[in-house]
Amino acid sequence: EDKVVQSPLSLVVHEGDTVTLNCSYEVTNFRSLLWYKQEKKAPTFLFMLTSSGIEKKSGRLSSILDKKELSSILNITATQTGDSAIYLCAVDHRYQTGANNLFFGTGTRLTVIP
Amino acid sequence: NAGVTQTPKFRILKIGQSMTLQCTQDMNHNYMYWYRQDPGMGLKLIYYSVGAGITDKGEVPNGYNVSRSTTEDFPLRLELAAPSQTSVYFCASSYFDGAYEQYFGPGTRLTVT
Repeated sequence: EDKVVQSPLSLVVHEGDTVTLNCSYEVTNFRSLLWYKQEKKAPTFLFMLTSSGIEKKSGRLSSILDKKELSSILNITATQTGDSAIYLCAVDHRYQTGANNLFFGTGTRLTVIP
Repeated sequence: NAGVTQTPKFRILKIGQSMTLQCTQDMNHNYMYWYRQDPGMGLKLIYYSVGAGITDKGEVPNGYNVSRSTTEDFPLRLELAAPSQTSVYFCASSYFDGAYEQYFGPGTRLTVT
């Protein structure tokens, strides 16, 4: 059975700390892994990773995929209160029809304290 | 561009009632999706569509129906609402299939009592 597991489930840090969020997966016909940030409402896209070992960066956020370990990490440096959100990891999930769709983990809730 | 819009934002239904959640996108995306998100959980795919006239079941389709008569609209129908359908519903769209960035609507919070 396909699955995506994120850890930790929740995390509380102080502003300025660096955090690492983890995502491990088991899915058929893997093509890519995506990270989304969810604040109060809709998820917003952060990164898509397809190749192992290549880091994607956007400001203080970065992510890398390890296909051998079937995992990815999302790093946030110098955290700010605006980083408080649920971070969702999603992986391709192939349905019986052959179409690819996203299979989401339960998310990591990050709280940044001033 | 408005992106992905959903109506209503909130709704309370009684058990056994029916309703339609509306979703519209103006990005000319071929792919559209309906997800539900229960408290403390990730998103689960209900139905998806790869183009007008083509729909298929996702992970949790029971109790729902969809249609896709145009590229822009992808309504989700709940028949005979049950408390287990209390959730937040998100519509999303993407230019290509699920491996690509999906754009999400603001969500509909549905309570069935």
